[in-house]
Amino acid sequence: EVQLEESGGGLVQPGRSLRLSCVASGFTFDDYAMHWLRQIPGKGLEWVSGINWNSASINYADSVRGRFTISRDNAKNSLYLQMNSLRTEDTALYYCAKGVSDAFDVWGQGTMVTVSS
Amino acid sequence: QSALTQPRSVSDSPGQSVTISCTGTSSDVGGSNYVSWYRQHPGKAPKLLIYDVTKRPSGVPDRFSGSKSGNTASLTISGLQAEDEADYYCCSYAGSYTWVFGGGTKLTVL
Repeated sequence: EVQLEESGGGLVQPGRSLRLSCVASGFTFDDYAMHWLRQIPGKGLEWVSGINWNSASINYADSVRGRFTISRDNAKNSLYLQMNSLRTEDTALYYCAKGVSDAFDVWGQGTMVTVSS
Repeated sequence: QSALTQPRSVSDSPGQSVTISCTGTSSDVGGSNYVSWYRQHPGKAPKLLIYDVTKRPSGVPDRFSGSKSGNTASLTISGLQAEDEADYYCCSYAGSYTWVFGGGTKLTVL
């Protein structure tokens, strides 16, 4: 079964850092692009960042560029999101998703990040 | 990276058809063959319904269909069922390895 499991969320003060992880199983991880997306509870979806299979293509939403860093370790079937200089507006449920043909075909259940003093 | 425009809500009765629109610009929807649609039930992760404008992943019923004309993409759901009541999101590749979502549409099955 194809699965994605996020971890690393929690409560953090504004300006601090947090690192999210996503472990994949059930598919050949290094064949696919991977993405982070987020959703403020009760609001819509936002694409946050994407990374292709060999990390040669990476980009970010304008709202997080310069503060967040995406990375992957294909040997560990893992995706990461290093989030620095966190803001209250970064509070959201963060999903990792598998990319296929510029869409997101498998999603994890998400990990909640709350930025508050 | 401005969000795509979707109607906030649509509704119809079981068995009927409904179409949800998704309007962008020539930089995203109009210039891309990579429009996708997702359904999200409350408290659940989104599910991919349509990719590459018109393609359905394995397991998605043919009641769901996608199309595009100019800067507007559309999702049509025929033979509405109670389980279709959910939030629907469109998404488009926007160039330079970035993606943009619509604001979401709440579908109510009357």
